[in-house]
Order: sequence, then C-alpha cells, then structure tokens
Amino acid sequence: EVQLVESGGGVVQPGGSLRLSCAASGFTFHNYAIHWVRQAPGKGLEWVSLISGDGDITYYGNSVRGRFTVSRDNSKNSVYLQMDSLTTEDTAFYYCAKGGEPGFSWDYFDYWGQGTLVTVSS
Amino acid sequence: QSVLTQPPSASGTPGQRVTISCSGSSSNIGSFYVSWYQQLPGTAPKLLIYRNDRRPSGVPERFSGSKSGTSASLAISGLRSEDEAEYYCAAWDDSLSVLFGGGTKVTVL
Repeated sequence: EVQLVESGGGVVQPGGSLRLSCAASGFTFHNYAIHWVRQAPGKGLEWVSLISGDGDITYYGNSVRGRFTVSRDNSKNSVYLQMDSLTTEDTAFYYCAKGGEPGFSWDYFDYWGQGTLVTVSS
Repeated sequence: QSVLTQPPSASGTPGQRVTISCSGSSSNIGSFYVSWYQQLPGTAPKLLIYRNDRRPSGVPERFSGSKSGTSASLAISGLRSEDEAEYYCAAWDDSLSVLFGGGTKVTVL
C-alpha cells in the first residue's frame, strides 16, 4: 500500500524557516518524482515544487522560487522541503504527492499525503 | 503563473449529469495531458482522471474526462450525494510547472 506522510509543520514567525519532510512507502521510491502542493485555508490548490526520482531535476512555482529548496534521500525514502524567508502568504496545508508515472513524466499525482499545516504569524 | 479557469460552482439533483469545464492555453492544456482531482471536505485531494480521460482503478465509471484543444471537461453522470466535493483540474505548463484550476464546488441539491 502506497503511503506518504508529511511532518514538520508548525507555527513560524515571518522571515523564519521551516523544513518539511515526506516519508514514503509502498512503492519503488527512486523511480518516481515527488511533488509538493499547498492549499491556504479555504483556498484552492497551488503547486509548489517537484523533484525527480534521482534528485537531479527540481522545479519550483514562481511564488516560492529562490526561497524554497526541495531535496530527497532515496536511502531513507524521504523528500524534504526547506522553506526560508517565510511570509504570511506561505500559510497553508502542505501536501506531498507521488508522481503518477515512473521516470520523467510529471503531469499527474496518483497518491497524496494527509498534509501538514504551516502557519506563518507573528 | 495563471491558473486554469474553472467555474466556481456547479450543481445538480441526484441522478443528473454535471459537467465541469477547465480552460487553459496552448502552453498547458493545448500541449499536455489534463488530470482531475476530487477533494472531499477536510481531506486530501484524490486522483479522479489522468491523461485526459483515464480512470484509476476504483474510480466509478460515472466519472469521465475529455479534452479538446485548450479546454477539458469532467463529467459526473448519475450524480450522488457523496459526489459533493471540490473538483480541480491540473496540467503541466511550458513554464516547467504544474498549473491547477481554481476549483469547482459541486453541490447535490
């Protein structure tokens, strides 16, 4: 059974940093890209980032590029999202999601975690 | 980055057919596959349709997807009370990102 479990959310002050983790199981981890998608309370979905299965390719959404860094450790079946220079606009539930196809195809996500809440507030 | 355009709401009575549109451009829907996600209140999104019109195992045949040019549609036939949820379309974009629609809230009257 595929499982994705996010952790690391919490309350942080504006300008601060936070590191989210996504622990995966139930599939051949290094074969699949992992995405981060966020959702501000009461709002729609916003794609944040993706990292390829081998970790060599990373892409970011405009609103987080230069502030967020995605990485993965395939020996631990885990993906990380380092979030720096946080603003109140980054307050959201953050979901990690598994890419639907192995390799370099990133058009859909077939499994999602339950999400972790990040609140940026003074 | 602009989002894909969806109507904010749609509704129908039980048993009816409801269609949700998703409009994009040549840099996203016009060039790449579309996927659809269902989000029930308080839960994570769930994949409903991928690669325009394919259903993952376990998704009822009542849900169907289509794409034409720079637009896509999700149809729910035989609407049921448990279909009341938020629905999102998504597509890869030339800007090397994934775009989501703004979401459509489906209400079963």
